[in-house]
Amino acid sequence: KQEVTQIPAALSVPEGENLVLNCSFTDSAIYNLQWFRQDPGKGLTSLLLIQSSQREQTSGRLNASLDKSSGRSTLYIAASQPGDSATYLCAVKGRTQGGSEKLVFGKGTKLTVNP
Amino acid sequence: DTEVTQTPKHLVMGMTNKKSLKCEQHMGHRAMYWYKQKAKKPPELMFVYSYEKLSINESVPSRFSPECPNSSLLNLHLHALQPEDSALYLCASSQDYPGRPLYEQYFGPGTRLTVT
Repeated sequence: KQEVTQIPAALSVPEGENLVLNCSFTDSAIYNLQWFRQDPGKGLTSLLLIQSSQREQTSGRLNASLDKSSGRSTLYIAASQPGDSATYLCAVKGRTQGGSEKLVFGKGTKLTVNP
Repeated sequence: DTEVTQTPKHLVMGMTNKKSLKCEQHMGHRAMYWYKQKAKKPPELMFVYSYEKLSINESVPSRFSPECPNSSLLNLHLHALQPEDSALYLCASSQDYPGRPLYEQYFGPGTRLTVT
């Protein structure tokens, strides 16, 4: 059974700092990995999608890497801003025992960027 | 446009009520999903529709009844809920189709449900 772990559970940094969020998963047989952010009480916003054959994806100040063989992904945020404060969720898509595909989420990292 | 809309934003219902949550997307996606999210927890998958057919039911109690009237709409009918069903209900969609589960999921803003 796929399990996704995110470390740390919470992170507080001063504005302008570069930071890394970590995600690990137990089953490397994945189709892809997706990073989301979620503001309190809101839906999920997709940030980056990395296919299993890819090593990294970039969007603006965000860079996500994937090492499928070791079951790890990182989300790098450059020059953090207070508006980046949110919970960041990592999710992997794999095949279930029933043969279907679904996202399995980590519990998230709550990021606070202080002005 | 990568928008998934959900109505209502908030819903308060008694345990004997019947209500429905609605979700709509116009991205041409053929896979649509219902998730339930409790406070400080990740989303939990409830149902998946692929090409308007129910493809996954994650052993959800029958008091939750999904419906996909057409490729753009997804409903979740609620009946005789319990207070522990209070949560944020999220709808999502993707371009995934059988054999090609390679696409992003896009989420709606959610419906905050309170059962009294």
